[in-house]
Amino acid sequence: AQSVTQPDIHITVSEGASLELRCNYSYGATPYLFWYVQSPGQGLQLLLKYFSGDTLVQGIKGFEAEFKRSQSSFNLRKPSVHWSDAAEYFCAVGGYSSASKIIFGSGTRLSIRP
Amino acid sequence: NAGVTQTPKFRVLKTGQSMTLLCAQDMNHEYMYWYRQDPGMGLRLIHYSVGEGTTAKGEVPDGYNVSRLKKQNFLLGLESAAPSQTSVYFCASNPGLAGDQETQYFGPGTRLLVL
Repeated sequence: AQSVTQPDIHITVSEGASLELRCNYSYGATPYLFWYVQSPGQGLQLLLKYFSGDTLVQGIKGFEAEFKRSQSSFNLRKPSVHWSDAAEYFCAVGGYSSASKIIFGSGTRLSIRP
Repeated sequence: NAGVTQTPKFRVLKTGQSMTLLCAQDMNHEYMYWYRQDPGMGLRLIHYSVGEGTTAKGEVPDGYNVSRLKKQNFLLGLESAAPSQTSVYFCASNPGLAGDQETQYFGPGTRLLVL
């Protein structure tokens, strides 16, 4: 069965520091992979997605993610975080359903240290 | 375009009361979804619809019913609310076969408290 694991519940980084959020998936075929961000009290906004092709994907707000099939991973990165990046980040996997269903990880809460 | 909107934003219910959450989208999307979000559990799919007049069960459908009488609306009903249904509910839509099939667009959420 498909599943998504985000091993880090909460991460704190200093403003200006680099960031990497981990995501591992379980899926038999080539997955569709997503990262969504949820600011406090808000809905989910798509940061980036991977369907096929170049394994390094660029998204909005300066984020990128790299698909590594050998490691079943799709980690999210940003070279220099800003205080406004404080939010909850969700990794998700799709591509297994004709109804375009996706499965979400449990999320990683990012705090920014001034 | 307003995108995906949800009504109400916040509601308090007593155990046993009923209510309906409304989701509306103005993007002419075929597919729509209802999720619940609980701390530490991410989003879990309650019900979904792949077109007007169709609905299907998701991962956690018990205690909920849905209807999709019009393409732009997807209603989530709680017939007899329980404290375990205290959660934040999100609606999402997807273009379906006509567009970017794999990307879901989310509403702002409805916070429900059942006492």
